[in-house]
Amino acid sequence: DAKTTQPNSMESNEEEPVHLPCNHSTISGTDYIHWYRQLPSQGPEYVIHGLTSNVNNRMASLAIAEDRKSSTLILHRATLRDAAVYYCILRDVSGANNLFFGTGTRLTVIP
Amino acid sequence: NAGVTQTPKFRILKIGQSMTLQCAQDMNHNYMYWYRQDPGMGLKLIYYSVGAGITDKGEVPNGYNVSRSTTEDFPLRLELAAPSQTSVYFCASIHRDRGGFEQFFGPGTRLTVL
Repeated sequence: DAKTTQPNSMESNEEEPVHLPCNHSTISGTDYIHWYRQLPSQGPEYVIHGLTSNVNNRMASLAIAEDRKSSTLILHRATLRDAAVYYCILRDVSGANNLFFGTGTRLTVIP
Repeated sequence: NAGVTQTPKFRILKIGQSMTLQCAQDMNHNYMYWYRQDPGMGLKLIYYSVGAGITDKGEVPNGYNVSRSTTEDFPLRLELAAPSQTSVYFCASIHRDRGGFEQFFGPGTRLTVL
């Protein structure tokens, strides 16, 4: 399964935008890029996903590089509630939908 | 919908004891998963099921067993508990055939083996 690389931790000030990077240089043509986040003492929750084009939803935006070897999750205005571990995951659409979690990026939001 | 529910929330076991972690979902999802998460680490897949009566191993299946007799329930069995199984266990589900892409996770079961 293709691997992803993320920084261990990042900090952001409250109400400022946050850009969380992810490298996935071995991505294959059938891999979707998924982002999940895990709030303290909770199970992971879905944030956003995409294949080739940039995506927006109510939680975040996903910017995907043209060569698909990297992507960036964008939180437009960080709130204290966004403090969590963010996981960038590649999902092979032809597989059993298994998600392979790395160690993610721990986002700290500073009031 | 209650979503994905897990019981118990917490459990302490002695080495060699056995227990079953319960997982249920009311969303009529066909795929279900069991993950474990060790401190400071990401989740690792233990077992998964693509429908009632069908299960398969994930990355770390040793020491665990599962069954899927109904669409709703996917229990995880630990037969001989070991300290290495101290972890937080998460159950998840998805409806693959409806183009589902979002896995829904339960709140987790925190297990300590002493």
